[in-house]
Amino acid sequence: GAVVSQHPSRVICKSGTSVKIECRSLDFQATTMFWYRQFPKKSLMLMATSNEGSKATYEQGVEKDKFLINHASLTLSTLTVTSAHPEDSSFYICSAPRQRGYNEQFFGPGTRLTVL
Amino acid sequence: GQNIDQPTEMTATEGAIVQINCTYQTSGFNGLFWYQQHAGEAPTFLSYNVLDGLEEKGRFSSFLSRSKGYSYLLLKELQMKDSASYLCAVLDSNYQLIWGAGTKLIIKP
Repeated sequence: GAVVSQHPSRVICKSGTSVKIECRSLDFQATTMFWYRQFPKKSLMLMATSNEGSKATYEQGVEKDKFLINHASLTLSTLTVTSAHPEDSSFYICSAPRQRGYNEQFFGPGTRLTVL
Repeated sequence: GQNIDQPTEMTATEGAIVQINCTYQTSGFNGLFWYQQHAGEAPTFLSYNVLDGLEEKGRFSSFLSRSKGYSYLLLKELQMKDSASYLCAVLDSNYQLIWGAGTKLIIKP
């Protein structure tokens, strides 16, 4: 089946630093990728839609300047959390859709971000 | 607004059968997904329904009634490894996934 990788799987950083998370589709091309955030015991919250070759589409309430998204190729999207603060600590998950007669989402393994 | 409802938590016994319900109200409908998510891991795909009826896949089955805005996930012969959260998600008219909050399923021996 299709595989989506995410790196790093876990990161701990100091407040004020920036963290980059990579999402790769390993055996298929994805013109669109999605970035989610998930708090403990809560459902997935869509943050933004990453579009290859164009600007990302952000959901209401998500700061564009804080969560920078770059979709540089058909297999890679990056999310950069700029000037991270403790409240940004969360589980970040990317997904990429692949057409199989329907639009199935393949999820990356997630990145656990802890900001001290 | 768009809304997906599913129970917060359910408990079942190993070897038994459990049904997790999901009701939805969305702007348009292009299919309903069920995902399984173990704690600390990303969701994994279980099923997709776009037409009314029952789809069976091994121990798991998923049912959809579009007229009622209703779906259920049926898990048979429960195993301890089935302890997880089960997420219901609907693809709306804009092909955007709307997620339910998930149902935490606890399996007891």
